[in-house]
Amino acid sequence: QQQVKQSPQSLIVQKGGISIINCAYENTAFDYFPWYQQFPGKGPALLIAIRPDVSEKKEGRFTISFNKSAKQFSLHIMDSQPGDSATYFCAARAYKLTFGKGTLLTVNP
Amino acid sequence: DGGITQSPKYLFRKEGQNVTLSCEQNLNHDAMYWYRQDPGQGLRLIYYSQIVNDFQKGDIAEGYSVSREKKESFPLTVTSAQKNPTAFYLCASTQIQGAGEKLFFGSGTQLSVL
Repeated sequence: QQQVKQSPQSLIVQKGGISIINCAYENTAFDYFPWYQQFPGKGPALLIAIRPDVSEKKEGRFTISFNKSAKQFSLHIMDSQPGDSATYFCAARAYKLTFGKGTLLTVNP
Repeated sequence: DGGITQSPKYLFRKEGQNVTLSCEQNLNHDAMYWYRQDPGQGLRLIYYSQIVNDFQKGDIAEGYSVSREKKESFPLTVTSAQKNPTAFYLCASTQIQGAGEKLFFGSGTQLSVL
């Protein structure tokens, strides 16, 4: 049973564009929603995270939007750069983290 | 520098062989985790440990074993019972920040079957 559904599987964006990755969940016990960024051959690293009492969190070019009633949250990357090309994972925590299947983002120069 | 060290980076297993993946952390974290990553499948939890000498099964523990004799170390053994072991294995540890939880990951071990 996939508890966190992530889409799209892959995404190609031009430099300077906006990248949007979406996640949906069913378990209302989730209380923490992080996004991780992974470069090839490396482990993931925490990018940004949000708790359900907040509808939006922004850190630099990265923003999480959270819709508690719809049980959805999304990552927006503004002014996308080739260096942002990586795999992005959303996750949700009840007593442990459950990860989405990942989105491979390619930002073309 | 503080961090998580996984070794080896690449590992090859023969049929019927057990292999052990090393994970060492110097972050003084209490909790440690093992994840398996397959292309397009995300990260799936194998085992986790929140305290020395104690560990719990994750979602896909069959064919794997762990030990936690020291706070700094959490080795994973892939046994011959794991029939499809080829994957990228990630070790992580947890720092509790306020009401959240940040996982620190190692650089992974790619395991392949000969």
